[in-house]
Amino acid sequence: GDSVTQMEGPVTLSEEAFLTINCTYTATGYPSLFWYVQYPGEGLQLLLKATKADDKGSNKGFEATYRKETTSFHLEKGSVQVSDSAVYFCALSDHYGGSQGNLIFGKGTKLSVKP
Amino acid sequence: DGGITQSPKYLFRKEGQNVTLSCEQNLNHDAMYWYRQDPGQGLRLIYYSQIVNDFQKGDIAEGYSVSREKKESFPLTVTSAQKNPTAFYLCASSRGRVNEKLFFGSGTQLSVL
Repeated sequence: GDSVTQMEGPVTLSEEAFLTINCTYTATGYPSLFWYVQYPGEGLQLLLKATKADDKGSNKGFEATYRKETTSFHLEKGSVQVSDSAVYFCALSDHYGGSQGNLIFGKGTKLSVKP
Repeated sequence: DGGITQSPKYLFRKEGQNVTLSCEQNLNHDAMYWYRQDPGQGLRLIYYSQIVNDFQKGDIAEGYSVSREKKESFPLTVTSAQKNPTAFYLCASSRGRVNEKLFFGSGTQLSVL
């Protein structure tokens, strides 16, 4: 079945460091890919999305490119801030797969940014 | 402001007791969802509803029940059959289904006394 694999955390960085959180997926159809962010004590918020191969999603300085050849959707940011500290979830939606279009989430990667 | 409201924020359940978690949205969204979040496990889908008076089981529906009598409301009942109910429960909604952005509530932490 469809699945999402994220790099394990926690990830600890200093402010202004470069961030990469790896995400790879397995899907039977043509999935859309998402990154959601969860700040402490809150629900998830959509950070960015890409709906087809080679699309780049971007928001708030974060970027991710849909790579079909490597089945990946890695999240990157050039210079992180303390306010970026949160848990980041990679997810896919595959209408033609067994999940019937429901989101399938990775396990999440906790990011801590130190001043 | 439009959004999703979950209540209560914290809930305690005694052995053998059913408890109900509330989820209300004023976004006029057709689809609503319940997810369970355990530490290090990501989110797992419990139930979802695409339209009023209709709902479908997700991946871990056993021990849970839902209703969708109104478009804006999608309550989740954690029954006594759910033997490991301690978790963070998240409700979400979306305008449509496939590839639609999900809007999440702020969650309910359920613990067993």
